[in-house]
Amino acid sequence: EVHLVESGGGLVQPGGSLRLSCAASGFTFSDYYMYWVRQIPGKGLLPVSRISGGGIVTTYADSVKGRFTISRDNAKKTVYLQMDSLRAEDTAVYYCAGESDYKFDYWGQGTLVTVSS
Amino acid sequence: QSALTQPASVSGSPGQSLTISCTGTSSDVGKYDFVSWYQQHPGKAPKLIIFEGTKRPSGVSDRFSGSKSGNTASLTISGLQTDDEANYYCCSYAGGPTYVFGSGTEVTVL
Repeated sequence: EVHLVESGGGLVQPGGSLRLSCAASGFTFSDYYMYWVRQIPGKGLLPVSRISGGGIVTTYADSVKGRFTISRDNAKKTVYLQMDSLRAEDTAVYYCAGESDYKFDYWGQGTLVTVSS
Repeated sequence: QSALTQPASVSGSPGQSLTISCTGTSSDVGKYDFVSWYQQHPGKAPKLIIFEGTKRPSGVSDRFSGSKSGNTASLTISGLQTDDEANYYCCSYAGGPTYVFGSGTEVTVL
């Protein structure tokens, strides 16, 4: 059975940092692009970052470029999102998702990030 | 890249069929046969129910079906059940590293 379990969310002040983690099991982790997708409560889904299976290729949405850094450790089957210089508009539930062949096969349960003073 | 356009809500009675539209552009939905649909119950993770416009993953009910015409993709739920109450999101590949999601549709079973 596939599991993606996010952790690391919480309340942080504007300008602060958080590091999200997503631990995977039940599928060949290194075969998948891994994404972080955020969802503002009651709103739609927005991919914010992705990383290739080998960790070489990374991509960021314009809204987080220069502030967020994605990485992965295939030995630990874990993907990370380092979030710096956080803003109120980064407040959202953050999901990790595994993508292959133009579809998001697997999703975690999400972790809530709240940026507020 | 703008979000794909979906109706905010649709409703139907048990046993009925309903269709959710997802309108994009000639740069995403109209250009690629890579539209996927996701079901999300409140507080839960999204679940893949349709990929490549019309295909169902193993284990997904055949009551869910997808189609596409031009820049608009559609998801049809037949034989509506109470457990189908959820939010549904379409997603289209848009070239390079880009995927664009729809705004989401809340399905209510009356």
